[in-house]
Amino acid sequence: DAGVTQSPTHLIKTRGQQVTLRCSPKSGHDTVSWYQQALGQGPQFIFQYYEEEERQRGNFPDRFSGHQFPNYSSELNVNALLLGDSALYLCASSLAGQTSEQYFGPGTRLTVT
Amino acid sequence: GQQLNQSPQSMFIQEGEDVSMNCTSSSIFNTWLWYKQDPGEGPVLLIALYKAGELTSNGRLTAQFGITRKDSFLNISASIPSDVGIYFCAGQTTYNTDKLIFGTGTRLQVFP
Repeated sequence: DAGVTQSPTHLIKTRGQQVTLRCSPKSGHDTVSWYQQALGQGPQFIFQYYEEEERQRGNFPDRFSGHQFPNYSSELNVNALLLGDSALYLCASSLAGQTSEQYFGPGTRLTVT
Repeated sequence: GQQLNQSPQSMFIQEGEDVSMNCTSSSIFNTWLWYKQDPGEGPVLLIALYKAGELTSNGRLTAQFGITRKDSFLNISASIPSDVGIYFCAGQTTYNTDKLIFGTGTRLQVFP
């Protein structure tokens, strides 16, 4: 039973650039949520995707956007990167009717220089 | 963004000791979860709680959903070195059942 996978593992970008992070949900799951975890803090909700649409959004600017594909995998895009975007980006998957039990991937460590 | 208050912030204990940590919110929650995160990894779900007063165990771990619905507790009995990590509480409010709101974390260090 494959768990949540994310790619890449690490990424280094320059201010102003754009980045795309990828996530494949746990087998059988149809809902994907993205979180940002700054160093020393708990994860912060970015948004959630279900049926290829953004269902819920946290307090993040429009520079953060996403997409969900028919196979339930998802991408997180961040435009015009800022130094403050440096963080661990976590993807979590769940079933639509059980979004309380979210299972996390290993994360993508993004460093913006 | 909103975060739950967790305490203590860190704990340094000896192997074999019991551990208690808690999480509080100013809002009522209808779900509480406890996660453990190792360095460089994503959080791993330990226990999920759905009803006020509920007490649930997972091996040496026991968690409780507070009766006020504004707090939760996690106990670890007879700690072992592999218990080292950061423990996060997380919850969902009654008006937003999609996103998880996380606590600030409790860092646990176990000495042999």
